[in-house]
Amino acid sequence: QQPVQSPQAVILREGEDAVINCSSSKALYSVHWYRQKHGEAPVFLMILLKGGEQKGHEKISASFNEKKQQSSLYLTASQLSYSGTYFCGTRINAGNNRKLIWGLGTSLAVNP
Amino acid sequence: DTAVSQTPKYLVTQMGNDKSIKCEQNLGHDTMYWYKQDSKKFLKIMFSYNNKELIINETVPNRFSPKSPDKAHLNLHINSLELGDSAVYFCASSQDRVRETQYFGPGTRLLVL
Repeated sequence: QQPVQSPQAVILREGEDAVINCSSSKALYSVHWYRQKHGEAPVFLMILLKGGEQKGHEKISASFNEKKQQSSLYLTASQLSYSGTYFCGTRINAGNNRKLIWGLGTSLAVNP
Repeated sequence: DTAVSQTPKYLVTQMGNDKSIKCEQNLGHDTMYWYKQDSKKFLKIMFSYNNKELIINETVPNRFSPKSPDKAHLNLHINSLELGDSAVYFCASSQDRVRETQYFGPGTRLLVL
């Protein structure tokens, strides 16, 4: 039931692009993306609801392919501040159980 | 103007002791959560309360007992602490029933010796 994130880790040079994937074995209602910097709390990036929407926030965007039960996070022209661990959280329904099932995270390091 | 706050930030204690962690949110949210993040960074949901009612209760030892005196507060009491309880405990809150953005507190770093 836990979504699978890939890759587990990625190292970039500043300005390079990266894609982080999140795949589920179950049909999804929504996918949530968070970033956690070392020693800090996870911080919300974006939510994608079923319907195949694509969202963007500056140079970070994401897509949600409902049919493939997966979401991808796109980081373009990476900056040093993008370093951290990226988590996807998934919900399989819109019911009152508000549990997010979290992936194991993808560690991203951006070097100068 | 802190949104979700936790106390204490650090907690170092001996095995067998009992300790509590407190969480407060001033966002007006209805739902609050406790997560445990171990050394491998896995975020494990422990409990969730919605308007003081327990709605998520994962497989967690009975030594862990949450308490929500009102919808702005969610405390976690841990009895007979064990070495394996060492982790970072995050409190979070959410409001929107559709999007469910979760706002995390700064975390409590618990070390059991």
